Amino acid sequence: TQLLEQSPQFLSIQEGENLTVYCNSSSVFSSLQWYRQEPGEGPVLLVTVVTGGEVKKLKRLTFQFGDARKDSSLHITAAQPGDTGLYLCAGAGNNDMRFGAGTRLTVKP
Amino acid sequence: NAGVTQTPKFRILKIGQSMTLQCAQDMNHNYMYWYRQDPGMGLKLIYYSVGAGITDKGEVPNGYNVSRSTTEDFPLRLELAAPSQTSVYFCASSRGGAYNEQFFGPGTRLTVL
Repeated sequence: TQLLEQSPQFLSIQEGENLTVYCNSSSVFSSLQWYRQEPGEGPVLLVTVVTGGEVKKLKRLTFQFGDARKDSSLHITAAQPGDTGLYLCAGAGNNDMRFGAGTRLTVKP
Repeated sequence: NAGVTQTPKFRILKIGQSMTLQCAQDMNHNYMYWYRQDPGMGLKLIYYSVGAGITDKGEVPNGYNVSRSTTEDFPLRLELAAPSQTSVYFCASSRGGAYNEQFFGPGTRLTVL
């Protein structure tokens, strides 16, 4: 059983479309992070959200942390083929980190 | 800075063999982590360390051991390798704290036959 549930598991869209992926948990986290991983490489941090209700923007990516600090969403506007990858959310506990299974995004040109 | 480095990149083991996966970081981070990632899945925490001489179990520690004698190095030991340990292993480091942003190495792809 995953502590962090990500949905959808797979997403295939056309270039230019918008999308939202979700990260949900029954646990409260001190912070939540989103990473992107490309094949054959380690995950790379995109953003960290700490405050309930917080919204952060990174170019075409918008991240939101739920008010109760249990869930988060990632919205991508006008997706591009370069956005293709595995998007992972991770929750910070006392000293450790727990990752979701990820959403595998494919953006077709 | 090299960041987080891992060796080897690839390894094939026979059932019952042992090996050590090496991980080093040059960012003076106190926190270090070992994860495994099975095909199409997220990362499972094996062990972590909050400083030299301190280690703790994560979600899936069975079949593995770690040590942390220096701030820079965090090796992962596999004893009596089993096919279930076939995976990609990632080491990461962080400063800890509320943000705890993790920096990952390139991974070691291990196959146990």
